[in-house]
Amino acid sequence: LAKTTQPISMDSYEGQEVNITCSHNNIATNDYITWYQQFPSQGPRFIIQGYKTKVTNEVASLFIPADRKSSTLSLPRVSLSDTAVYYCLVGEPLNKFYFGSGTKLNVKP
Amino acid sequence: DSGVTQTPKHLITATGQRVTLRCSPRSGDLSVYWYQQSLDQGLQFLIHYYNGEERAKGNILERFSAQQFPDLHSELNLSSLELGDSALYFCASSVEPQGFGGNTEAFFGQGTRLTVV
Repeated sequence: LAKTTQPISMDSYEGQEVNITCSHNNIATNDYITWYQQFPSQGPRFIIQGYKTKVTNEVASLFIPADRKSSTLSLPRVSLSDTAVYYCLVGEPLNKFYFGSGTKLNVKP
Repeated sequence: DSGVTQTPKHLITATGQRVTLRCSPRSGDLSVYWYQQSLDQGLQFLIHYYNGEERAKGNILERFSAQQFPDLHSELNLSSLELGDSALYFCASSVEPQGFGGNTEAFFGQGTRLTVV
């Protein structure tokens, strides 16, 4: 099981770029890295997924170094509505998604 | 809208009772996952079904059971309910079981909030 470690919480201000780093030292060769966002009392929502280097979509970028032992989710110019919990998932051993505790991002005005 | 439908949205019941939570996956998705999220807790994986067959079990209590029907909808049965079972129960679906080369995205429903009193 590829265990992930990410900060419990982060604070930011509107308009700033936020980077959340996740450590996954025992990532397997075939594992992808996936990030989900969850608002209170709602189901998690897929943000971005990658295998190596950099992936960018309309909401975020994902940076993965060559050794793949960590990854960084980058949220450009956050707004109050980005206040949520962000989960980093790596691989899916035995057909399961393991969600850790996530990073609680608090965006302030 | 994720395309995953969970009913009911809210459920209040007494200790010792039995309830059934229902999940309709996205059209075409064969995998259904159930999760439990207690207040201010992370998501705990309960069970995974693929095309009607149980594929994996997580931290699911013996008092809980689930099944996936031929039309691919799934039900989670919770019996002998205790106060500690109060939580949000989420269902997620994806098109294929994970681990078959790369990942696929899982789509979550809005959850069923169970309150045991």
